Amino acid sequence: QLQLQESGPGLVKPSETLSLTCTVSGGSINSGIYYWGWIRQPPGKGLEWIGNIYYSGSTYYNPSLKSRVTISIDTSKNRFSLRLNSVTAADTAVYYCADRPATSGAFDVWGQGTMVTVSS
Amino acid sequence: DMQLTQSPSFLSASVGDRVTFTCRASQGISSSLAWYQQKPGKAPKLLISAASTLQSGVPSRFSGSGSGTEFTLTISSLQPEDFATYYCQQLNTYLPLTFGGGTKVEIK
Repeated sequence: QLQLQESGPGLVKPSETLSLTCTVSGGSINSGIYYWGWIRQPPGKGLEWIGNIYYSGSTYYNPSLKSRVTISIDTSKNRFSLRLNSVTAADTAVYYCADRPATSGAFDVWGQGTMVTVSS
Repeated sequence: DMQLTQSPSFLSASVGDRVTFTCRASQGISSSLAWYQQKPGKAPKLLISAASTLQSGVPSRFSGSGSGTEFTLTISSLQPEDFATYYCQQLNTYLPLTFGGGTKVEIK
């Protein structure tokens, strides 16, 4: 059973870089079966897709965030990471990682989410 | 820009009611749509992919339909555990994987 777990700082200062990691267990991140994604949800608001990465390293980002986002993958540690630079209060959100099987295209296993607050 | 518009944004209903809500896409996406259920403080749960394919373990009272630009999620008989917020998401990989704004279902 695939499980995903987000980790990283819960507080980031404005203009700095938000960095989160998603550790995958119960399956191999380089199986080629899945894409791996990040989604966020500001408090009281809806879901926003951030981007995806494939085991090969190919990425696909939300155009609205593309200039500030980098998603990378570490197959040796079975994890993938998110970096979002130049953060503002608008980036305060619960950040989720999830897998996206290449067959269905939908995010079917999610991490529990981690709250990140941008504040000085 | 790809946009998904969900309606209504809020729905008040009773246990046993049949409820239907809509997701409209600004561009045609064939059947590339998913529905998720989210309860407070929890991660979203995938209910339906490919517009109408029920995920394993999801009760049969949930059903999805539609293609192109208009999609619906129906709950045939609302149960207490169904009170939640429902989101649609477009799955066409040539477009951003946009989510709709959500429909919150509350107890009447």
